Amino acid sequence: SQQGEEDPQALSIQEGENATMNCSYKTSINNLQWYRQNSGRGLVHLILIRSNEREKHSGRLRVTLDTSKKSSSLLITASRAADTASYFCATDWNTGNQFYFGTGTSLTVIP
Amino acid sequence: NAGVTQTPKFRVLKTGQSMTLLCAQDMNHEYMYWYRQDPGMGLRLIHYSVGEGTTAKGEVPDGYNVSRLKKQNFLLGLESAAPSQTSVYFCASRTGQTRNQPQHFGDGTRLSIL
Repeated sequence: SQQGEEDPQALSIQEGENATMNCSYKTSINNLQWYRQNSGRGLVHLILIRSNEREKHSGRLRVTLDTSKKSSSLLITASRAADTASYFCATDWNTGNQFYFGTGTSLTVIP
Repeated sequence: NAGVTQTPKFRVLKTGQSMTLLCAQDMNHEYMYWYRQDPGMGLRLIHYSVGEGTTAKGEVPDGYNVSRLKKQNFLLGLESAAPSQTSVYFCASRTGQTRNQPQHFGDGTRLSIL
C-alpha cells in the first residue's frame, strides 16, 4: 500500500492548547494536503503545501514539510471545541492524478 | 452551488445484489474520484477519471466498475455485492487546470452488505 501513516492516532487536548499531528509518507510527491473530517461528513480541504515549500500558514494552521524525511506536521494553535474532528494528510504521486491518504488523527478538543 | 452530491446517502444490500452509486458535481471539474473509507484504513482510491469518457483503476478496484459518460457525473457500480464491500464511499472532484489543486468531497454513501 502507498498509504501514509499519521501520528498520533488520537489526541485529546483542552480548549486553547495547541495540537500537533504528524504525517509520514512513502513516495516522492508534488504536494501534500491536509483535510479535516467532521463526524458523518465528507473531507474538507484545509491547506496544501508544495514539495518545494518548507512551511505554510493559514489562519491558526501551520504546516511544515520535510521531503528528506518524507514527513509533514500540522499545528493547530489556540484550539477550539469546533476543531474536534479527524485530520488526514494526502499525497499525490507519479503523474499527480492519484492521491494517497494517511490513516488519520482523531482530535478531541475539550471545552 | 451544491458542490459534490452523492446519491443515495444510505443503502443496505444483500450479498449478490447489484447497485450503482451516483456522484454529481456542479463545479465543471475534470477529475473525479471514488474512495472507500474503512475504520483504521483511511481513504483508499477505487477508481478515478481525468475527463469525460475516461476511467482508470486506483488502489482497490476489484469488484467495482465505473463510468463517466457526462463530465458532471461519475458512477460507481457493484455488480455482485460482497460483505467485504461494506464501507463508506466518498466521491471527490477537482479541477485539472493545474496540478496543485485540492479535492472537493461529497458527504458519503454508507453501504452495508448483509
